[in-house]
Amino acid sequence: DTEVTQTPKHLVMGMTNKKSLKCEQHMGHRAMYWYKQKAKKPPELMFVYSYEKLSINESVPSRFSPECPNSSLLNLHLHALQPEDSALYLCASSQYVDYEQYFGPGTRLTVT
Amino acid sequence: EDQVTQSPEALRLQEGESSSLNCSYTVSGLRGLFWYRQDPGKGPEFLFTLYSAGEEKEKERLKATLTKKESFLHITAPKPEDSATYLCAVWYSSGSARQLTFGSGTQLTVLP
Repeated sequence: DTEVTQTPKHLVMGMTNKKSLKCEQHMGHRAMYWYKQKAKKPPELMFVYSYEKLSINESVPSRFSPECPNSSLLNLHLHALQPEDSALYLCASSQYVDYEQYFGPGTRLTVT
Repeated sequence: EDQVTQSPEALRLQEGESSSLNCSYTVSGLRGLFWYRQDPGKGPEFLFTLYSAGEEKEKERLKATLTKKESFLHITAPKPEDSATYLCAVWYSSGSARQLTFGSGTQLTVLP
């Protein structure tokens, strides 16, 4: 089973809202990732967790707050977002950092 | 400057017309080069991992190769269902840190 699940599939939020994106994998992978992808652009790495600890933070604004409650779950907490934050948010996992990644279907986020 | 460049940006092929996609990189300390396929609105799908120059991997109509400066994704006798954006990604060491960079992708269209 190489499935990564993400919820919700779509999210519309106002600039003053607080929402969370969720990601889950049951492959026993020890690394998990958040990406942001704009239309016709490659994924941009945001955060990497390795063994449930934040390993890489690509200078992402503090209105994005990641959380890894356990080895199977990854959350992305959103607060006070801007319209330019509208994008497809992808979660991925890999056995370890540097290994091939398996991506979820993404959450399509629209900030109004 | 560390870079990953894909060419061409877009490629249109007739069904059965073989071709190659290129991913060139100017990073030092390569830890792995990965090829992914992405369909519109979906998460990338893992295809291949290459670690060292001279390595080759094959899967159905696709073959990936790696040299010290670039990787090629060869598509033999493509079918319309091979239409997608093909992304390469490179993990490399930068000082004591690990970095992951995606190329900008090649959008492949295979016409029946």
